[in-house]
Amino acid sequence: QVRLVQSGAEVKKPGSSVKVSCQASGGTFSTYAISWVRQAPGQGLEWMGMIIPIFGTANYAQKFQGRVTLVADESSSTAFMELSSLRSEDTAVYYCARVFGIADYESTSYTAHAFDIWGQGTMVTVSS
Amino acid sequence: DIQMTQSPSTLSASVGDRVTITCRASQSISNWLAWCQQKPGKAPKFLIYKASTLEAGVPSRFSGSGSGTEFTLTISSLQPDDFATYYCQQYNSYPYTFGQGTKVEIK
Repeated sequence: QVRLVQSGAEVKKPGSSVKVSCQASGGTFSTYAISWVRQAPGQGLEWMGMIIPIFGTANYAQKFQGRVTLVADESSSTAFMELSSLRSEDTAVYYCARVFGIADYESTSYTAHAFDIWGQGTMVTVSS
Repeated sequence: DIQMTQSPSTLSASVGDRVTITCRASQSISNWLAWCQQKPGKAPKFLIYKASTLEAGVPSRFSGSGSGTEFTLTISSLQPDDFATYYCQQYNSYPYTFGQGTKVEIK
């Protein structure tokens, strides 16, 4: 059974960067995409972006454009989310989630059909 | 961006009650809607995708319906394990936005 295993908690200074990993344990990425979502303390879920490993392309929420980078290493079935220029408002739990969909190899587009597995979450604390 | 609005924000119910949560999209999303459940301190868990298809292993007391801009999640007979916060998420177009959540509390 595939699990998404995320890296451990991080404490960062304002202005620095954090890189969170998400590894598919017991399986591969295959034709899945990986979505990243965060949740600030006491708040709801916020979608950050999605990486499509087979194409190496990513889509980002406008709010995070320029500050977030999503990459994936198919050889290790690991996705990474890097967030830069950290501020206190970035303190949150960061989750990855697996997305099942249909890939169009001609246009390199991806149509999501379902989401199934979440990682356990990574707490990122930004504090001076 | 497509705005997702859930109602109510909080719902108080008893074990055995039928519970309905509504999610409205600011524009048509066809049936590209997922529902997930989250308990305090835990990662969310997907329940339903494509508006009405249950994820494997999800109890049949959960059901989803709707298309276009209006969707519902129904729990036919609330169980103790169902007290949690529920979110809808559209994935018709980027960014894949979430509703603000509905907390189901014990009455």
